[in-house]
Amino acid sequence: GQNIDQPTEMTATEGAIVQINCTYQTSGFNGLFWYQQHAGEAPTFLSYNVLDGLEEKGRFSSFLSRSKGYSYLLLKELQMKDSASYLCAVLNRDDKIIFGKGTRLHILP
Amino acid sequence: GAVVSQHPSWVICKSGTSVKIECRSLDFQATTMFWYRQFPKQSLMLMATSNEGSKATYEQGVEKDKFLINHASLTLSTLTVTSAHPEDSSFYICSATGRQERWGYTFGSGTRLTVV
Repeated sequence: GQNIDQPTEMTATEGAIVQINCTYQTSGFNGLFWYQQHAGEAPTFLSYNVLDGLEEKGRFSSFLSRSKGYSYLLLKELQMKDSASYLCAVLNRDDKIIFGKGTRLHILP
Repeated sequence: GAVVSQHPSWVICKSGTSVKIECRSLDFQATTMFWYRQFPKQSLMLMATSNEGSKATYEQGVEKDKFLINHASLTLSTLTVTSAHPEDSSFYICSATGRQERWGYTFGSGTRLTVV
């Protein structure tokens, strides 16, 4: 089977740092995506990891450990506009993107 | 960058009618397109995968006779929801890839379908 787990909701304060974790068990692995999705809109690409380690891109960083089936998305200097759902998704051996249920992130002023 | 245009953005239809959703890749050739459905506060669920010129492959539990997918060209895929019912009301999103890079997936803007 395929299983991608991430917390349902998280709350953080403007200006702070938040880490969203994701664990996965899928039929093969060809990479892991993080997407941002605002309500009623399509997902927006944030990152793609296929090798172990940390990828940094501005305020956002994504980490991957293939041996542990684990990834996290790190958001720094949080802004109110970062309030959204963050989707962890795995590219499986059939090159299909399988999504987790998403983490709704609430930013407090 | 790669752009995928999806139309319509929203549609309201009567129960029993059919609705067609179009997904076009504007500046690249989409060899593969994916169709997802998303219910409120839930994740995107993959419905089917279509490759240009061949029949779509449906995920388990998705009725192929109800959700007709056509990928007749390298820039256009359509999803037709036939005999729509209120339970088909959802957010439908397409995704296209045609690039060499594994991360080269582009999403359309989505279609909000409401069946009344």
